[in-house]
Amino acid sequence: AQTVTQSQPEMSVQEAETVTLSCTYDTSESDYYLFWYKQPPSRQMILVIRQEAYKQQNATENRFSVNFQKAAKSFSLKISDSQLGDAAMYFCAYRSYINTNAGKSTFGDGTTLTVKP
Amino acid sequence: DAGITQSPRHKVTETGTPVTLRCHQTENHRYMYWYRQDPGHGLRLIHYSYGVKDTDKGEVSDGYSVSRSKTEDFLLTLESATSSQTSVYFCATRTVAYEQYFGPGTRLTVT
Repeated sequence: AQTVTQSQPEMSVQEAETVTLSCTYDTSESDYYLFWYKQPPSRQMILVIRQEAYKQQNATENRFSVNFQKAAKSFSLKISDSQLGDAAMYFCAYRSYINTNAGKSTFGDGTTLTVKP
Repeated sequence: DAGITQSPRHKVTETGTPVTLRCHQTENHRYMYWYRQDPGHGLRLIHYSYGVKDTDKGEVSDGYSVSRSKTEDFLLTLESATSSQTSVYFCATRTVAYEQYFGPGTRLTVT
C-alpha cells in the first residue's frame, strides 16, 4: 500500500517570501499522480497543483511550483511571493495510475502554513 | 469547482441514533468518495462509488454504509452513531484527469 508522509506539521513564512513544504511517499509503482491540495479555514479543499510521474518537468501554477524527485520519492511544494491568502493547511496526495479503488487518493496528514504580515 | 454540495453542513446527534449525510454533484462525474478528516490523520477514505449502485469499502468503513441510486447523489449513513464518529466528513468526485474535487464538508458531533 502506498503511504504519504508530510514531516512538517507546521510551517510559517513572512509575507512576500518563499516557503517549501515537504512530502515523501512510498510506492512500488512506476506510474502515478501526485497532488497538492489547499484547505483554508473555510475547510473547502482546493486543488493547487498536480504532477504526473512520467513527466520529468516539474509542474508550475503561477506562484506554486513543485520539485519532483522520482528516485527519492519526494514531492515538495514551493510557494513564491507568499500572500496572506496562502495561509491554510496543505495536503500532499498520491494516486495510482492503475484504477484501483476507483482511483482514490492517499493523503498525507497535512502541513499548516502560517503567513506573517 | 465541480458543483458539489453537502447536507447538512453541521449536525449534532446522540449516540445510537442513525445519521445520513448527503452529497450532491452537478458535474455527472462517475466516481464519488466519502472521506473523514480528523486531527493528526489527514483524510481517510470511508467508502467510494464507481457508478450507480456500485460501491465499495475504503480503509475506515466499519460503522458506515453508503448508497448511490442516482449519479448525482451519494449518501453516507451511520447506522448507530458513536462518539468515535465525531469528525468532519468530505464528499469528493473525480474527473477523468484524476483530480479530486471536494464538497464543503459536514461537521458531525456525536454526544
